[in-house]
Amino acid sequence: GAGVSQSPRYKVAKRGQDVALRCDPISGHVSLFWYQQALGQGPEFLTYFQNEAQLDKSGLPSDRFFAERPEGSVSTLKIQRTQQEDSAVYLCASSLKQGAVGNTIYFGEGSWLTVV
Amino acid sequence: AQKVTQAQTEISVVEKEDVTLDCVYETRDTTYYLFWYKQPPSGELVFLIRRNSFDEQNEISGRYSWNFQKSTSSFNFTITASQVVDSAVYFCALRAGGYNKLIFGAGTRLAVHP
Repeated sequence: GAGVSQSPRYKVAKRGQDVALRCDPISGHVSLFWYQQALGQGPEFLTYFQNEAQLDKSGLPSDRFFAERPEGSVSTLKIQRTQQEDSAVYLCASSLKQGAVGNTIYFGEGSWLTVV
Repeated sequence: AQKVTQAQTEISVVEKEDVTLDCVYETRDTTYYLFWYKQPPSGELVFLIRRNSFDEQNEISGRYSWNFQKSTSSFNFTITASQVVDSAVYFCALRAGGYNKLIFGAGTRLAVHP
């Protein structure tokens, strides 16, 4: 597709349930990012992939959060044993080149997770 | 440390008014990039502009203009003759020091009323 695609758009999970959020980046984009956006806040960085390599996972809030990009295209963010504080919008983004600070990052519409 | 401050939480204007959204950033790096994104209710962050630290020339794109001043560490965004469709949350962001992540401000919610 033309843009970054995320699914599901909306997810309601019971506390303790595992969830998986999918991201399809723009075709050919090397870099892929996950961000978490709490209600009324700006997005906060979770993790970064360059092709299939996860080069930065410093933003993952706990070991319940896990991300992968096994073939260097589609990525999945998995949250185990969800808790209410995990409720947020999870934004995926991609950019064309690797490493350059000035690359423009394009975002998807996000996956809205509500944990009840 | 990298930081972006958007002091205006919410702004409300009437259509056709001009409005300026403020952004102040902090970084010790000499090479950095500044961005503005628009987030409509659908949730997607829409890229508006990218500016590098070596180019202080102001930019105009239609009704949008940006004023970058390194002396005050500010990168302000002005919408001229605002329209209802401009209603959204606007985020300023910083990318610096070879890091790949964007540091976002808290955002400014703009409401344009007819």
